Amino acid sequence: EPEVTQTPSHQVTQMGQEVILRCVPISNHLYFYWYRQILGQKVEFLVSFYNNEISEKSEIFDDQFSVERPDGSNFTLKIRSTKLEDSAMYFCASSDLLVFNTQYFGPGTRLTVL
Amino acid sequence: AQSVTQLGSHVSVSEGALVLLRCNYSSSVPPYLFWYVQYPNQGLQLLLKYTSAATLVKGINGFEAEFKKSETSFHLTKPSAHMSDAAEYFCAVSDRSNTGKLIFGQGTTLQVKP
Repeated sequence: EPEVTQTPSHQVTQMGQEVILRCVPISNHLYFYWYRQILGQKVEFLVSFYNNEISEKSEIFDDQFSVERPDGSNFTLKIRSTKLEDSAMYFCASSDLLVFNTQYFGPGTRLTVL
Repeated sequence: AQSVTQLGSHVSVSEGALVLLRCNYSSSVPPYLFWYVQYPNQGLQLLLKYTSAATLVKGINGFEAEFKKSETSFHLTKPSAHMSDAAEYFCAVSDRSNTGKLIFGQGTTLQVKP
């Protein structure tokens, strides 16, 4: 069964460093998302991406964040200068049919900012 | 704006007992509603979804949920809990926008006692 994959599973970085979180969505999906979950809190929407551009972003997704689909398979989230409060689990999701919006999630990347 | 409230951050049941996880939503338009399950150290797995067809929705692993518009609820049930059902459960609503982002509740941790 096709699945969304994410790498790395755990990333530790120093405050102020850049990190890139990688995702490989399901191959025939067209809509891509990033969510995050701070420990003990709910899953929050960050950004959605379709047709090689951002379709919506939350207020969390400020200028420090960017997304890219550099090739036909990868979908990346970059944080330019990490802050302590960026520590969270980051989930990638993809969807093939927007009307019913069944999003399939990856296993997540746990980002720890020291 | 849409929102989801899950009543009870922790629910504990005995093996074989009824599972009831509560979810109430707020939406100005007919919503799409979802339940996801998260097992330890794993991603979010779709249990079931409501997309304005039948109000009683059956999902995987014996779970089902009923959409009640008058009560703005979408509670998740399972007649007989199994030890393997211990996990965190998230209710989510889609705003049907052209981005299809999901808005999640706080989550409910289900504990199953032998």
